[in-house]
Amino acid sequence: GAGVSQSPSNKVTEKGKDVELRCDPISGHTALYWYRQSLGQGLEFLIYFQGNSAPDKSGLPSDRFSAERTGGSVSTLTIQRTQQEDSAVYLCASSLAGGPPDTQYFGPGTRLTVL
Amino acid sequence: KQEVTQIPAALSVPEGENLVLNCSFTDSAIYNLQWFRQDPGKGLTSLLLIQSSQREQTSGRLNASLDKSSGRSTLYIAASQPGDSATYLCAVLETSGSRLTFGEGTQLTVNP
Repeated sequence: GAGVSQSPSNKVTEKGKDVELRCDPISGHTALYWYRQSLGQGLEFLIYFQGNSAPDKSGLPSDRFSAERTGGSVSTLTIQRTQQEDSAVYLCASSLAGGPPDTQYFGPGTRLTVL
Repeated sequence: KQEVTQIPAALSVPEGENLVLNCSFTDSAIYNLQWFRQDPGKGLTSLLLIQSSQREQTSGRLNASLDKSSGRSTLYIAASQPGDSATYLCAVLETSGSRLTFGEGTQLTVNP
């Protein structure tokens, strides 16, 4: 595709429910990243994929958060038993090979609201 | 732990002014520094990327400088226009080569 796409664009859920957020990277990009942007916290790194492996998942805030990537392409970020503090915009990015001097290209984000 | 700070947090200027946005980072062991633009409800658009070995990059009315030893970068916008109104984010790529560490951003408003 022309750019990184994410779905849904908006998600409203009730506290305690599970949610899945999807990211489609730019075709041919082997590296994929998830970030979270929340009020008062700025933009924080969550996890990095190289192919289907996640060499750096140190940014995941708790064991309620998990992510997978299949076929070296689509990635899904899953949040179990959502809490109100999980409300944020979740941004996905991809880059050609990962690491410098690659530029990370960002998707439009998924705005998650937990009631 | 790398920390990135942006000053000012918000800036409002009349159209036509030249302006400077500031970014500082605590750990100079970076591969590169990137400036992004974010419009409300949108993702991030990369504006300029400066490798650690470079001093500046230019694109149109934008010029970004990097002083790695002092942990500072500036984004200079010449002849500002209302369409420049957005949040500008500075981010550094750490030596691990994977994660970007972002500042909190400068919210710019250019008034016609």
